[in-house]
Amino acid sequence: DGGITQSPKYLFRKEGQNVTLSCEQNLNHDAMYWYRQDPGQGLRLIYYSQIVNDFQKGDIAEGYSVSREKKESFPLTVTSAQKNPTAFYLCASRYTGGRENEQFFGPGTRLTVL
Amino acid sequence: AQSVTQPDIHITVSEGASLELRCNYSYGATPYLFWYVQSPGQGLQLLLKYFSGDTLVQGIKGFEAEFKRSQSSFNLRKPSVHWSDAAEYFCAVGTGANNLFFGTGTRLTVIP
Repeated sequence: DGGITQSPKYLFRKEGQNVTLSCEQNLNHDAMYWYRQDPGQGLRLIYYSQIVNDFQKGDIAEGYSVSREKKESFPLTVTSAQKNPTAFYLCASRYTGGRENEQFFGPGTRLTVL
Repeated sequence: AQSVTQPDIHITVSEGASLELRCNYSYGATPYLFWYVQSPGQGLQLLLKYFSGDTLVQGIKGFEAEFKRSQSSFNLRKPSVHWSDAAEYFCAVGTGANNLFFGTGTRLTVIP
């Protein structure tokens, strides 16, 4: 089955540690996205990538980094510079062949920083 | 600048009752509009989308939405709610850069 996988589902880290969240898709989509979700705030865009080896900052990129070395993979690193990293993180992908295509979402990773 | 407003944070309806979730958007060009649903601790699933043409769009699970340009609205409706519809619902507007801007969501509770 085609889809988006995120791992792990739950992640606990000590304050000051970097942590990397995995996102893999087998939908053959060119574009991939990372969102952060906090209660009452909806989804906010962290980073996105329209093509391999290229990515752009979203609205809240500070304290995060990404890479896009493969079409299928778009890992997100939450660095120690992120002041409030505890949140639910969602990865998405989109087919860019048409103008109007929706984003498909993974199941999410809940990060808790202790 | 684009924005999406979902004025209702939480709605409670009885099973079998009708439902309408409100969404207003602000965007300078013709918008691409979406409704997504999220169960607790899960990702988002697309319910329906509007790009052009017929302003009443049908989606999955018996949902529909109507685009009203004059009111900058894209309200989601369902004639008869089921207990399994309890979830959080997000309206989103797509821009020319193909990014999505989301509203803050409406949490739906269904009572028996």
